[in-house]
Amino acid sequence: DGGITQSPKYLFRKEGQNVTLSCEQNLNHDAMYWYRQDPGQGLRLIYYSQIVNDFQKGDIAEGYSVSREKKESFPLTVTSAQKNPTAFYLCASSMSSGGADTGELFFGEGSRLTVL
Amino acid sequence: QKEVEQDPGPLSVPEGAIVSLNCTYSNSAFQYFMWYRQYSRKGPELLMYTYSSGNKEDGRFTAQVDKSSKYISLFIRDSQPSDSATYLCAMRYVTDKLIFGTGTRLQVFP
Repeated sequence: DGGITQSPKYLFRKEGQNVTLSCEQNLNHDAMYWYRQDPGQGLRLIYYSQIVNDFQKGDIAEGYSVSREKKESFPLTVTSAQKNPTAFYLCASSMSSGGADTGELFFGEGSRLTVL
Repeated sequence: QKEVEQDPGPLSVPEGAIVSLNCTYSNSAFQYFMWYRQYSRKGPELLMYTYSSGNKEDGRFTAQVDKSSKYISLFIRDSQPSDSATYLCAMRYVTDKLIFGTGTRLQVFP
């Protein structure tokens, strides 16, 4: 089945450690996104990528890094510089990042990161 | 002021009720309007999509856009316990990314 796979589903991290969240899609979508979801704040965009080897900062990129070496994969690293990393992280993809199509986002099931 | 405002709820209704979920926005350039449904501990999924103004109906769900008032609504008729979820509005203009509301948590009790 086509879709987006995020792993791990749950992750615990000690303060000062970097952690990488995986996101893989087999929808052949060009654009991929990382969002952070906190209670009462909705979805906030961290990074997005429209094509391989290119990505742009979203609204809350500080303390995060990404790579896009393959079309199917868009991993997110939460670095020790992120002050408040405990959150629910969602990866998404779309056929394109704008234009005349709906821009519908297809989401993975999310990764819940807890910093101890 | 946020670009998109949405009442966080929670909204609790009995089974069979008509539910109205709403968002207001400030950017008159928005052209695409969407409603996503998110079950607990899952990713959001697209429920309804509307381009520009007007109504769109899909089964028990109706999406309404009033661009003059900068207001969008999602109506759920004959609500079911399986409709219990968080509903997120989202919108964008032609060449940019989606902007999401904060989400409204809905509970439908039997």
